[in-house]
This record gives sequence, structure tokens and C-alpha cells, in this order.
Amino acid sequence: AQSVTQLGSHVSVSEGALVLLRCNYSSSVPPYLFWYVQYPNQGLQLLLKYTSAATLVKGINGFEAEFKKSETSFHLTKPSAHMSDAAEYFCAVSAGGGSQGNLIFGKGTKLSVKP
Amino acid sequence: DTGVSQDPRHKITKRGQNVTFRCDPISEHNRLYWYRQTLGQGPEFLTYFQNEAQLEKSRLLSDRFSAERPKGSFSTLEIQRTEQGDSAMYLCASSLVVSGYEQYFGPGTRLTVT
Repeated sequence: AQSVTQLGSHVSVSEGALVLLRCNYSSSVPPYLFWYVQYPNQGLQLLLKYTSAATLVKGINGFEAEFKKSETSFHLTKPSAHMSDAAEYFCAVSAGGGSQGNLIFGKGTKLSVKP
Repeated sequence: DTGVSQDPRHKITKRGQNVTFRCDPISEHNRLYWYRQTLGQGPEFLTYFQNEAQLEKSRLLSDRFSAERPKGSFSTLEIQRTEQGDSAMYLCASSLVVSGYEQYFGPGTRLTVT
């Protein structure tokens, strides 16, 4: 069985500050991990993915995430927040290669950016 | 590549009516997924297809829910005898089996049952 826990349902940062959104996962098989962003009344956009290659993954819009197996974590970071980063962010896990590939999502973290 | 499209974007229906949603995946994608998202929650997996075969449907919420992908292209999700608890965003996603399972999502259909 797989699950995802996102710590903090709401994170607020100032423009230009570091963004850190936390995600811990549980998986009985080597996982594939994803971060998605959702703007109001829209679908989800893929930010980045980890599929067992490099542990530090770079994504779009300056985001990156590091896979830490020992900590079962996949936290999302961005060095400098921009107003346009305000959205809801979802961490997701799948069972990886050979599986049916469905995603298990966390409950999401809403990011606010203050001017 | 025009992305995943869903129709309609919004649907308001009365309790007890049937509704059908359509999803058009990215054209070369062989997998298609349906998810439901309620307020304040992440998307919840419902079912998926590989080409025209529905390979997992045990997560469909009740026997009122059904999905089809008749020619391995677009898909429909039908809810019969809608209930107020069915009010949610219904999301469709598509992927290639060999792409690392990254899924591309459509804009969703927001269902309101009155």
C-alpha cells in the first residue's frame, strides 16, 4: 500500500523568500514521486517527477525536489518565491514501473505569497 | 499536442438525474485515468484504461458510476441517479506507459448536484 502525507495545509511566505513544501511517502515498492500544482478551478500541472534516476530533480518554474529514501521524503523547494507561485501543490506517489500507474495524492498544501 | 480536454467544464444537475462527462486524452497516450477531487482534498483515483481495456474499476465509488473508452481514444464517465455527495471536480488524465507514468491532466468537470 502507498500513501502520501503533506505537512502543512497552508504555507505563507514573502515574495523573494525560500519556498519549502514538505512531503513524506510510504511505499512497499520503489516509488515514483511527483509534484503537481493546481491553480483555482483548473486541472493539475506537472512540476517535476522522480523515477529512480537522479535524487535531485529539477522542474519547471525554478522548483526542485530531493528524494531521500532514508527519510521517505520528497520535499519541494524554490529559492525565491514569486507572486505567481501562489497556488495549491500536491505531492503524489505511484507504484512505479510495471504497475497500473495510478497516483495516490496527498491532501495538498496551499501556498500564499505576500508582497 | 493540444493537451487533455474535458467537456463540459461545469455541470449542474438535480438529484436523481444521470450525467455523462467526456475526456479527450493527448492523442498518442494509451493510458487514461479518471479521478475525483472534493473540496480541500487531493484527487482520488477512480478507474483507468489502457487502450480500450478498463484494467481497474474496483475504485469506482458505487455501481452508479461507470466508464467507457470504446475505441481507445476518448472516454466517458457516467453517474446514474446522482446524489448530492457526488458534487465534486472530476479530473481526467492521460499518459504513456513507457514515460515514467507522468500523467497529464485536463481542466476537469465540476459537478454540482442540487
